[in-house]
Amino acid sequence: RKEVEQDPGPFNVPEGATVAFNCTYSNSASQSFFWYRQDCRKEPKLLMSVYSSGNEDGRFTAQLNRASQYISLLIRDSKLSDSATYLCVVNRNSGGGADGLTFGKGTHLIIQP
Amino acid sequence: GAGVSQTPSNKVTEKGKYVELRCDPISGHTALYWYRQSLGQGPEFLIYFQGTGAADDSGLPNDRFFAVRPEGSVSTLKIQRTERGDSAVYLCASSLGGPNTEAFFGQGTRLTVV
Repeated sequence: RKEVEQDPGPFNVPEGATVAFNCTYSNSASQSFFWYRQDCRKEPKLLMSVYSSGNEDGRFTAQLNRASQYISLLIRDSKLSDSATYLCVVNRNSGGGADGLTFGKGTHLIIQP
Repeated sequence: GAGVSQTPSNKVTEKGKYVELRCDPISGHTALYWYRQSLGQGPEFLIYFQGTGAADDSGLPNDRFFAVRPEGSVSTLKIQRTERGDSAVYLCASSLGGPNTEAFFGQGTRLTVV
């Protein structure tokens, strides 16, 4: 099983729709979870951290299910500018506190007018 | 700007040559990460530094790859005897360290081995 798995898509979604992605991770000891966004030929940038209680930032909602080891991202009222690749990120938990991050391959989202 | 800086932005080298890629992290960031990314893939972990020491180098693919961070700031990724399969974008990121801290990425070095 890969460390972080995502459906690569592409997800083609009409503007204004709601879209959701899931991601699964294999390391049950992981403690930190994130969604990053990457635009074409650009570097990844943090979209939001994912907390056990779930968290919301405007149109974006992230949830964590530790028992099933998956993370989700929900985008409501999607905009054309949401078109990007969304990367699921989990800490490697190599021991000793903060450590490297493992990225999924990303889910490609295309918002259509 | 005060972001993560990587040089060069592009590097073309011949198969078998040695290359060095440089990363200047954000000032004060103790954690530094190297990744490489091929087209259509997510960033692949290579190595993570906490201060001057490599806390996790398990992602380095083989002994042709080596990275240093001698003063706990600038880092250099070194690739010996380059192969065509090494062609990728090499990304560097830095963070304050600690759980749930944001990692900030540089714009990457696009390495092409011909």
